[in-house]
Amino acid sequence: NAGVTQTPKFQVLKTGQSMTLQCAQDMNHEYMSWYRQDPGMGLRLIHYSVGAGITDQGEVPNGYNVSRSTTEDFPLRLLSAAPSQTSVYFCASSSPGAGGRIQFFGPGTRLTVL
Amino acid sequence: GQQLNQSPQSMFIQEGEDVSMNCTSSSIFNTWLWYKQDPGEGPVLLIALYKAGELTSNGRLTAQFGITRKDSFLNISASIPSDVGIYFCAGQRNTGTASKLTFGTGTRLQVTL
Repeated sequence: NAGVTQTPKFQVLKTGQSMTLQCAQDMNHEYMSWYRQDPGMGLRLIHYSVGAGITDQGEVPNGYNVSRSTTEDFPLRLLSAAPSQTSVYFCASSSPGAGGRIQFFGPGTRLTVL
Repeated sequence: GQQLNQSPQSMFIQEGEDVSMNCTSSSIFNTWLWYKQDPGEGPVLLIALYKAGELTSNGRLTAQFGITRKDSFLNISASIPSDVGIYFCAGQRNTGTASKLTFGTGTRLQVTL
């Protein structure tokens, strides 16, 4: 199992550009989430999904869109990038149940918006 | 949005020393988790706690779920250089929303020889 994979690892955008951060998992997990991590702060939830076709907003959803057409993939879209979106983005997945409250994280995407 | 209060923010210790860090919240959580993050990597789970009062060990790591369900602590005994990293606590309120974790602000641990 590759676990949770994210691409790209690094990205530089200009203000106003759009892009999609990719996330995939091969553990057949129902739950997937996107977090952002800023200096001196813990991870903050952007959007999450409890299954294919179902998404919901987290703590800091503005400026981001998500979709979940398959169990494996959960892309995060920035429609018009802003400097405030410079951050490290982590995708995570988990399965429900007592042993599945644990989230597994990908290696992250480091995004800089100029 | 809420973030958990985690302390200390950073620690500089000598190899072999014990380490203690804690996390507090104004609201109750059903699950407490402790993660470690190495530079350039995603967080990796260290210990998961599911019941108030629970004390769980993983090698040199011991964590406890506070009886009020509003706090948790993590101890590392006999620290070694590879313990260096950032440690995060995370709380979860509802087992049906496994995707939603609230994270602490992290404790940065430095170990000197």
